[in-house]
Amino acid sequence: EAAVTQSPRSKVAVTGGKVTLSCHQTNNHDYMYWYRQDTGHGLRLIHYSYVADSTEKGDIPDGYKASRPSQENFSLILELASLSQTAVYFCASSVGTGGRVFFGKGTRLTVV
Amino acid sequence: GDSVTQTEGLVTLTEGLPVMLNCTYQTIYSNPFLFWYVHYLNESPRLLLKSSTDNKRTEHQGFHATLHKSSSSFHLQKSSAQLSDSALYYCAALGNTDKVVFGTGTRLQVSP
Repeated sequence: EAAVTQSPRSKVAVTGGKVTLSCHQTNNHDYMYWYRQDTGHGLRLIHYSYVADSTEKGDIPDGYKASRPSQENFSLILELASLSQTAVYFCASSVGTGGRVFFGKGTRLTVV
Repeated sequence: GDSVTQTEGLVTLTEGLPVMLNCTYQTIYSNPFLFWYVHYLNESPRLLLKSSTDNKRTEHQGFHATLHKSSSSFHLQKSSAQLSDSALYYCAALGNTDKVVFGTGTRLQVSP
């Protein structure tokens, strides 16, 4: 089974602080994604990448940066964390064709 | 770009009644792949169904869906809801961009 590993699994951050969420996949997939899930809402795409050293904006990129230093690793960076960024964040990967998406277990971020 | 529409945010059912969750999509690609993902509380979203060819039914774990290109639909159905079916269900599409697009999700609540 394909594997996507997120770290940390939970984090409490201070408003205005910097937060980095990490994701590692061993699937050899081209595509990697960062999604945000808020209580009562569905998955919303923040950033994605289809090749190392390149990232693309998703539907809600404001306040977030992404980094894909290698095919296996994809980070989400909150330079100045805000209360509104409290959510569960999911990393995922997929092959370009065929499209099955494999998700990590999620990171629960609480900004205080 | 590609898009997926799930019109119901919440569907509430009594156990034993049939389930139907709506999904329509838009893409210029003539042969899209459609998916249903299920997201149980405190777990990762995972693939439930993937579409086959036009007008062919796909089944898994008691759920089924049929891709209808004529109506751009891929509705999820089950003949009899169970309490354990309570979850968030996402419809997703893979069109010409190689990027999977998710709908906003439908929460299914099944009560005794």
